[in-house]
Formats: sequence, structure tokens, C-alpha cells
Amino acid sequence: GAVVSQHPSWVICKSGTSVKIECRSLDFQATTMFWYRQFPKQSLMLMATSNEGSKATYEQGVEKDKFLINHASLTLSTLTVTSAHPEDSSFYICSAKVLSYTFGSGTRLTVV
Amino acid sequence: DAKTTQPNSMESNEEEPVHLPCNHSTISGTDYIHWYRQLPSQGPEYVIHGLTSNVNNRMASLAIAEDRKSSTLILHRATLRDAAVYYCIPGQGGSEKLVFGKGTKLTVNP
Repeated sequence: GAVVSQHPSWVICKSGTSVKIECRSLDFQATTMFWYRQFPKQSLMLMATSNEGSKATYEQGVEKDKFLINHASLTLSTLTVTSAHPEDSSFYICSAKVLSYTFGSGTRLTVV
Repeated sequence: DAKTTQPNSMESNEEEPVHLPCNHSTISGTDYIHWYRQLPSQGPEYVIHGLTSNVNNRMASLAIAEDRKSSTLILHRATLRDAAVYYCIPGQGGSEKLVFGKGTKLTVNP
């Protein structure tokens, strides 16, 4: 079946630095990918829709200058958390749709 | 966005059937009902989806009410590996977005 690979699975960074998370569709092409954030004991919150070759569409309240999304190819979308702060510590998950939605295994970001 | 109501938590015993309910009274007539589940520290996993008729696959069955305002996910024989948070997600008026509610945390007792 369709597989979405997310990397890294976990990362620790210093406050003020930037972190890039990659999301790859391994055996299919994805013109659209979705990025979610999940805080402990909470549900997934949709952050943005990543569109290949064009700008991402951000959900209300999500800072597009802080969460940079690039979808330069049909198999890769990246999320960069810029100037990370401890409150950005969270579980970030990407997904893409084939027949159903396939999710990556998530990236746990800890900002210290 | 179409809203859902699910129990916060449910408990089952191993090898017994589990019925997970979901109310989605604001769903539009052409939107599918999706069910996903999430194990701890993992991304969500597809379970099943349907439109009007009841659906079956190797993981579960989905019973959809005739008025489509509610549905029930049925796990025929719960195993310990079925312990997860189960999300019922109605389609969003043709949008490709999946908007997650709070889900039901299922505990399976040995």
C-alpha cells in the first residue's frame, strides 16, 4: 500500500534555531500533502495544506512565516519550524491522500 | 466544518465485540464518513470509510444510520493491539482536508 515516510522521527533543538521536517511519498505521487500538529493528550490539529508547485494554504491562526512549507516535487514536502521556541514542542504529522489518507509516523520536536 | 460527537473513552475485553458510536448530524449528503485510529506516538491509521451503505473490511465494519447523522464502528473481536484512539471524521463539503475531532480512546482489557 501507499507509504508516507517522515523524517526525522524525533529532534531536539535549541530555542531560536530552525528545524526542517521531511515528508516523502514513497510509492506514489502526491500533489497535495497535509501537515498536522498534536500536543500531548490532544487531537491532531490541521496546520496547512501543502500544494506541489504552489504556495501552501494555512489554517486560521497558523503563522505562515513561522511554519514554512515547501512542496517542490511530487514526492516531497517539507515543514520548517523557524526560530523555534519551547511552545513549538509538539508531535508533527504529515499525510497524503491516495485512495485513503496515509499518514507519516510523526516527528516529535522538543525545543529546549 | 462538520462536527462530530464521540464518547471520550470506552473499554472492552479482549475477544469481545466493540461498538464505537459517532454522531455527525451536520454532515452533507455527499460527504463520506471516515474512521481512523491512532496508537500512542504514531501517525493515524486508516480503518474504514463509507457513504450510505454498511461497509466491511478485514479490520472492521461500519454501520451507517439511514439518515446518515450517526455511524458505528464495529470491531468484531477486540485484541490488545486494537487499543487506540478512534477518530470518526466526516468529509468537509468536497474539501480534501481531514479535520480531526477528539476521538474515543479505546482500552482493551486482557
